[in-house]
Amino acid sequence: AQSVTQPDIHITVSEGASLELRCNYSYGATPYLFWYVQSPGQGLQLLLKYFSGDTLVQGIKGFEAEFKRSQSSFNLRKPSVHWSDAAEYFCAVGDMDTGRRALTFGSGTRLQVQP
Amino acid sequence: GAVVSQHPSWVICKSGTSVKIECRSLDFQATTMFWYRQFPKQSLMLMATSNEGSKATYEQGVEKDKFLINHASLTLSTLTVTSAHPEDSSFYICSAKLGGPGTEAFFGQGTRLTVV
Repeated sequence: AQSVTQPDIHITVSEGASLELRCNYSYGATPYLFWYVQSPGQGLQLLLKYFSGDTLVQGIKGFEAEFKRSQSSFNLRKPSVHWSDAAEYFCAVGDMDTGRRALTFGSGTRLQVQP
Repeated sequence: GAVVSQHPSWVICKSGTSVKIECRSLDFQATTMFWYRQFPKQSLMLMATSNEGSKATYEQGVEKDKFLINHASLTLSTLTVTSAHPEDSSFYICSAKLGGPGTEAFFGQGTRLTVV
């Protein structure tokens, strides 16, 4: 069974500092990987996704993530954090099925941005 | 990107009444829709998967008679919380997929249900 681990429950960074959110997955084959962001009381917005090809993927809002098969990781990065980035971030994995199964989500990482 | 609209965004109801939440894919046909429940500061918990025209598949521990799901068309799924109780108060989120391997899920904005 597939699973996703986000080791950091809560992270605080200063505005302008760099950010890395960790995500490790467990899956028997090459997974489809996603990062979503959720603002309070809102649904989830897709930041970026990895299906195949280049292991460094670019997303919206200046985010990027790198797929490392050897480490079973898909960490999210941003070189300079803005106050508006404060939110909950979820890593998710999907499998190579017909597309009729739900994504498996990690437990989330809450990002706080200090001025 | 594709848009999923969820309505209402918040609802307060009395204990014992039923509440219906709608989830619509506005600009695409969703072969599969999912319903999640999210407790404060926690991740999304999958409640059920519904494919258009067939019965929903519920996750273990989710009462199918309490959480009625109808997926009558490729653009609309509804979740009805029957005989709601305060412990049903939560944030409910739907998502829809276009279909095909590894396709991303698009999410509604969520519904905050408060049962008093």
